[in-house]
Amino acid sequence: DAGVTQSPTHLIKTRGQQVTLRCSPKSGHDTVSWYQQALGQGPQFIFQYYEEEERQRGNFPDRFSGHQFPNYSSELNVNALLLGDSALYLCASSLEGLKETQYFGPGTRLLVL
Amino acid sequence: AQTVTQSQPEMSVQEAETVTLSCTYDTSESDYYLFWYKQPPSRQMILVIRQEAYKQQNATENRFSVNFQKAAKSFSLKISDSQLGDAAMYFCASPGWQGGSEKLVFGKGTKLTVNP
Repeated sequence: DAGVTQSPTHLIKTRGQQVTLRCSPKSGHDTVSWYQQALGQGPQFIFQYYEEEERQRGNFPDRFSGHQFPNYSSELNVNALLLGDSALYLCASSLEGLKETQYFGPGTRLLVL
Repeated sequence: AQTVTQSQPEMSVQEAETVTLSCTYDTSESDYYLFWYKQPPSRQMILVIRQEAYKQQNATENRFSVNFQKAAKSFSLKISDSQLGDAAMYFCASPGWQGGSEKLVFGKGTKLTVNP
């Protein structure tokens, strides 16, 4: 049973560019959450997708957007990249609801130059 | 904003000894789960243990156990018989509401070093 997978593992972009990160959830899971983890910090919630809709959103600007596909996989898009967007981006999958355990992928390390 | 506080940025323990990592949280939920995650240098977050808030009994998973004090909103993690592979960042997480959204809130983490 494959766990949560993310691609790419590493990415280097320049300021102003756009980036798309991808996530495939654990088999049987229908909910995908995205987190940003700055160096030395805990993960910060970006948003959560369920049934192809954004259900919850953290304190992130509209430059951060996402999508969930019918097969439950998800994309995170970040437009107009800033240096401060450099971080580890984690995807977590679960069944619907905060009482459900979230299982994390290995993350995508984004560096913005 | 609801918060999770891990007051120990770093901890160290001798191999085979016991260590306790502390966590306090602030949630307005009445029925919730609490989580401890481990993030080794390979960076993948791994669930260590979870506690159901309505259960009086503290959760246990092999060498890992929690001391859950609901009234005090405290949720500490005890690692017994520490092993070198336990070295990692440990994050406590609880549900919370912020800006009209319900989400999982993480603490800043505790870096655990295990000395041989």
